[in-house]
Amino acid sequence: DAGITQSPRHKVTETGTPVTLRCHQTENHRYMYWYRQDPGHGLRLIHYSYGVKDTDKGEVSDGYSVSRSKTEDFLLTLESATSSQTSVYFCAISETGQGFSTDTQYFGPGTRLTVL
Amino acid sequence: ELKVEQNPLFLSMQEGKNYTIYCNYSTTSDRLYWYRQDPGKSLESLFVLLSNGAVKQEGRLMASLDTKARLSTLHITAAVHDLSATYFCAVEDRGSTLGRLYFGRGTQLTVWP
Repeated sequence: DAGITQSPRHKVTETGTPVTLRCHQTENHRYMYWYRQDPGHGLRLIHYSYGVKDTDKGEVSDGYSVSRSKTEDFLLTLESATSSQTSVYFCAISETGQGFSTDTQYFGPGTRLTVL
Repeated sequence: ELKVEQNPLFLSMQEGKNYTIYCNYSTTSDRLYWYRQDPGKSLESLFVLLSNGAVKQEGRLMASLDTKARLSTLHITAAVHDLSATYFCAVEDRGSTLGRLYFGRGTQLTVWP
C-alpha cells in the first residue's frame, strides 16, 4: 500500500470556522491531489500540486486553498467552512502526472468532514 | 471539460451471474483507470488501461478499452459476494500535463446469494 495518511480522519465543525486537513506521504511522489466525494458525484478534484509550492485549481476549488511547503505534505484549508463543504475528502498521490507506464493515483484513507 | 458516464449506477446481481459495467467518456483519451471502493473505505486501483484495445484481467474481473468508441467495459464473470463494492472509472485528460483524472459517478454493485 502506498504510504499516505490523512489527518484528522473525522471532524465536526461549525459554519464559519476555518478547517485544515493534512495529507502526508512517504513515497516522495511529486504529484498530490485533493478530491471531495459526495453521493451521486463520484470524485471531484479540488486542487492539485505538481511540486513544492506549485499548486493549481481543480474543478471545485471555490472556498478552498492549499499549500505545499514540503514534498511530503499537502494541506487543504477551508477558510470559512460552510454546510455545502460537508463531504469526504480524499488525498491522492502519483509519481508522474502524465500517466507514464502503469502510473496511477493512489488514494489516502479519507477524512469525513461535517459542517454544522 | 471531459465528461465520464457510467452505466448502470446501481447493479444488483445474483452470485454466479455475469454482467458488464460501461464507462463512456466525451473527449479523446487513451488512458483509463478502474477503481474499487468498499463502504467507508478508500479507493483501490484495479486496472490501468493505456492504449486502444487494452484488456486486463484479474480474477473474475476483466476490463477493456476502445478509444475509438470512447468506451471502457468492466466485465464480471460468475459474480461472488466479495465483489460487492462501488466501482469507478476515471479517464485521464491527455490535454493536461498533469494527467488529471475525471471520475464517473460510480456503479454500486451488490451480489446476493
